[in-house]
Amino acid sequence: LAKTTQPISMDSYEGQEVNITCSHNNIATNDYITWYQQFPSQGPRFIIQGYKTKVTNEVASLFIPADRKSSTLSLPRVSLSDTAVYYCLVVPTGRSNDYKLSFGAGTTVTVRA
Amino acid sequence: DSGVTQTPKHLITATGQRVTLRCSPRSGDLSVYWYQQSLDQGLQFLIQYYNGEERAKGNILERFSAQQFPDLHSELNLSSLELGDSALYFCASSAGPSSSGNTIYFGEGSWLTVV
Repeated sequence: LAKTTQPISMDSYEGQEVNITCSHNNIATNDYITWYQQFPSQGPRFIIQGYKTKVTNEVASLFIPADRKSSTLSLPRVSLSDTAVYYCLVVPTGRSNDYKLSFGAGTTVTVRA
Repeated sequence: DSGVTQTPKHLITATGQRVTLRCSPRSGDLSVYWYQQSLDQGLQFLIQYYNGEERAKGNILERFSAQQFPDLHSELNLSSLELGDSALYFCASSAGPSSSGNTIYFGEGSWLTVV
């Protein structure tokens, strides 16, 4: 299974764009990159998933270069309520194996006024 | 609201006791997952059930057990509780048999404090 590496923490200010880069050098052909967000004392929440190039939804954008060895989650114009832990996961698809969705330490993003 | 319901939200119990945490998955989801999150261990996968059968097992202690019932709700039983079992226990669900390729939805968690 591909291991991911992401920064432990990031600080930002309201209105700024926050970019979190995740490294996954051993990503396999059938793997997707998935990001979850977790607020204090709440369960993680799926925010975005992508395979290559760029994916955008109402919450974030996900940029994946051609070699797919890294990905960047972009949070536009953050607010105080975006303060959370963000987890990068590499999830295999296309086979119904007993994959155990494991979360690393994540990146703690703190947004200040 | 993820649609995953967990009870109780908070629970305080003494060492050596036994507790049961309950989870109702999202409507239509057949898979249920249990996770433990403590301050020093992060989010740890415990066990997964799919349509009543155990599907995957993680770092679940022998003192812990789980099951999924015919109506698809699940229970996590924690026995001989120790102080170190104090944590936030999450239940999650997904439509398919595996977390691969399926978005999983987490409940709000059950806070367990062992005193």
